[in-house]
Amino acid sequence: GESVGLHLPTLSVQEGDNSIINCAYSNSASDYFIWYKQESGKGPQFIIDIRSNMDKRQGQRVTVLLNKTVKHLSLQIAATQPGDSAVYFCAEKGSGNTGKLIFGQGTTLQVKP
Amino acid sequence: EPEVTQTPSHQVTQMGQEVILRCVPISNHLYFYWYRQILGQKVEFLVSFYNNEISEKSEIFDDQFSVERPDGSNFTLKIRSTKLEDSAMYFCASSDDLGEGYTFGSGTRLTVV
Repeated sequence: GESVGLHLPTLSVQEGDNSIINCAYSNSASDYFIWYKQESGKGPQFIIDIRSNMDKRQGQRVTVLLNKTVKHLSLQIAATQPGDSAVYFCAEKGSGNTGKLIFGQGTTLQVKP
Repeated sequence: EPEVTQTPSHQVTQMGQEVILRCVPISNHLYFYWYRQILGQKVEFLVSFYNNEISEKSEIFDDQFSVERPDGSNFTLKIRSTKLEDSAMYFCASSDDLGEGYTFGSGTRLTVV
């Protein structure tokens, strides 16, 4: 089954289920979006990115969906594993050239064995 | 896989002291960044650096902060007179000319006592 998370601080799922983590971004002019995974005591680790001219992008076990109409981004993780337990952040980059990323609040994903 | 390396991993300093946090970005990247993360909060942008000058800085990056690229490989963040509220994880990141390939280091945990 699936577990769908609204933008809640914590999402708890059963191992093997699919996870969906949601994010609302702030700037309609942002043209590049990244999902990061952060494990305790470590830096943000790149998962997948998407440009604003795309609606969907797939990676290995992960899919990012972008809905520019409502400024919404989601990360889908298929067959969630214990190693997926971490905090997940979405980040947006504006259309300027400075490369600045604006991070969302983050969602803690807990995977139950 | 190329990495951004940061030193030290932990730094404890007394209030009012100067600290220098060090980073070695990915060698062919052109944009360099510092971010910070207060415990339990989201990652916040501090400054971006391109072509040997600051391209953008946040409100957090006041006169107590400075950045430098002293040679072809290092990128440093200096805090002149640390305050208790400067205690946080500080992340260095770098990206390529398009602002992609964004990679974070593992961070320096700064504790001001």
